Amino acid sequence: KNQVEQSPQSLIILEGKNCTLQCNYTVSPFSNLRWYKQDTGRGPVSLTIMTFSENTKSNGRYTATLDADTKQSSLHITASQLSDSASYICVVSAAWGGGSQGNLIFGKGTKLSVKP
Amino acid sequence: EPEVTQTPSHQVTQMGQEVILRCVPISNHLYFYWYRQILGQKVEFLVSFYNNEISEKSEIFDDQFSVERPDGSNFTLKIRSTKLEDSAMYFCASSPTGVTLFTDTQYFGPGTRLTVL
Repeated sequence: KNQVEQSPQSLIILEGKNCTLQCNYTVSPFSNLRWYKQDTGRGPVSLTIMTFSENTKSNGRYTATLDADTKQSSLHITASQLSDSASYICVVSAAWGGGSQGNLIFGKGTKLSVKP
Repeated sequence: EPEVTQTPSHQVTQMGQEVILRCVPISNHLYFYWYRQILGQKVEFLVSFYNNEISEKSEIFDDQFSVERPDGSNFTLKIRSTKLEDSAMYFCASSPTGVTLFTDTQYFGPGTRLTVL
């Protein structure tokens, strides 16, 4: 069954600190993996998109990694800011056969709180 | 920067009533999507739309749901007879090409909060 699991469920860090969020997936056949940031009550905003051939991709203070062999991805946030407080969602695309979820399989997200 | 817009921002309806949620995708995009997010839960895919027809739908998207692109700019989601469990945030999204096989960015709208009483 195609699944995306994220950890931790929630995380509290102090402003200025770094953090790493994890995503494990069992989606096959894999097409691409996306990280989104979702502020409370708002639509998700795309941060990074990676295909199986890409190991790392950066977007400002956000750096995503992908290990297609172990089916793991991480999102590293550097020098966190108060505005980074949001849910971070890992979404994996199946090339086909996504089943009832469609070909975009969403994780439940990690809720990050950055405290002053 | 172009953005996806949705109206209304909040819709309150009585159980059994029909609702239409409206979206204006980004103008040069070809693929359109509806998702929903029940409060506190993950985003769920409903349907994708391309070339004036449904290209994919989830098992949530049953006969109570329909989508339409009535003109060159709007994309609508209709729920024929709303149920209490339809209460959720509904997000419209668009992308230049299909996101499952390509790596174009998918843009989400701000959402419509549907409350069914």
